[in-house]
Amino acid sequence: DIQMTQSPSSLSASVGDRVTITCRASQSISNYLNWYQQKPGKAPKLLIYAASTLQTGVPSRFSGSGSGTDFTLTISTLQPEDFATYYCQQTYTTLWTFGQGTKVEIK
Amino acid sequence: QVQLVQSGAEVKKPGASVKVSCKASGYTFTSYGISWVRQAPGQGLEWMGWISGYNGNTNYAQNLQGRVTMTTDTSTSTAYMELRSLRSDDTAVYYCARVFYAGMEVIDYWGQGTLVTVSS
Repeated sequence: DIQMTQSPSSLSASVGDRVTITCRASQSISNYLNWYQQKPGKAPKLLIYAASTLQTGVPSRFSGSGSGTDFTLTISTLQPEDFATYYCQQTYTTLWTFGQGTKVEIK
Repeated sequence: QVQLVQSGAEVKKPGASVKVSCKASGYTFTSYGISWVRQAPGQGLEWMGWISGYNGNTNYAQNLQGRVTMTTDTSTSTAYMELRSLRSDDTAVYYCARVFYAGMEVIDYWGQGTLVTVSS
């Protein structure tokens, strides 16, 4: 299976900060990379697919980049509703895998 | 609007089986796939597998091969996930989710989750 490693595992940030989360694949996955946001007690929500395509309805402060093995999710100006856990996921092979998650907490 | 409505919480004993249902509405069921993802208490997301809504083809996570079966009933737009030989570490919230194809498979809409508790 392809392993997905996110960093950091958690971070503390303030409203208005720029936040960057990285996701590294154990082998090249081209751009077959999706990002999800999950709030406590809720189902995940799709933010970005194909590494950089913003899902309809997702605020433009979210952006994604990368290809091959290294990917980033950036929140340009952190808002109160953005405090959550973020997961990357690869669908390059028939066996999909998620990263372990990055928890974004209030500083 | 797209909705995935899952069956209710279950409590099972070790060694038993559980079957979770996921009823889809608001879209053409056979034009999309359904994936199942679980989340143990306080843990991350674990992909369990995927089934085509078109032809029923499946892919399962290697660690669940032999214990999990995913099926669909296109007449009722319902997907099912059965997990057998339950263990305590199968305790988790189980999610179904719609899969669309955008040059690659993407999970876009999720069900509300079904808590399965395995306890003697």
